[in-house]
Amino acid sequence: KAGVTQTPRYLIKTRGQQVTLSCSPISGHRSVSWYQQTPGQGLQFLFEYFSETQRNKGNFPGRFSGRQFSNSRSEMNVSTLELGDSALYLCASSLHESSTDTQYFGPGTRLTVL
Amino acid sequence: KNEVEQSPQNLTAQEEEFITINCSYSVGISALHWLQQHPGGGIVSLFMLSSGKKKHGRLIATINIQEKHSSLHITASHPRDSAVYICAADGLTFGKGTHLIIQP
Repeated sequence: KAGVTQTPRYLIKTRGQQVTLSCSPISGHRSVSWYQQTPGQGLQFLFEYFSETQRNKGNFPGRFSGRQFSNSRSEMNVSTLELGDSALYLCASSLHESSTDTQYFGPGTRLTVL
Repeated sequence: KNEVEQSPQNLTAQEEEFITINCSYSVGISALHWLQQHPGGGIVSLFMLSSGKKKHGRLIATINIQEKHSSLHITASHPRDSAVYICAADGLTFGKGTHLIIQP
């Protein structure tokens, strides 16, 4: 069974631009969660989608948004990029709601904002 | 908001030593997750537990719901156990991680 895939793996953008990251969960998994990881803040929860509905949202500004498609693939978008958005963005999938189910992480997308 | 504290932040030990990493949280949860992250970024979920104890190979995780505390133990540690170990309350709030180095 293929694991969680994320594209692109690396991305360089400039301030003010927007970016879209993609996550394909393990086949059959209905929950996709997104996380931001930085050296200073560590791992932080962005949002979780389950069956195309956002179930949970972390404490991030509205510039961060996401969606999930009917095939469970998910995208997250960051608009008006800031230098502080430079981070590793990870997604994870699980069969059921992520808080009470084992999560499988993708390799991440490393975003650099110049 | 749940506050998650991990200790120690850094730990260097010799091969074969028994390792304990602690995680405390402030608000009751449904489940506590333990994650392992190797250099390069890949994260693996080690345990998800809501009560008692779980064991997988040389790794043991325990949780005390009343005391809002969980521990991750590694028996007979090995250099390949060197990684960052992170606990997460309900998979939503994360500890800062414990950087573990096992020296041969």
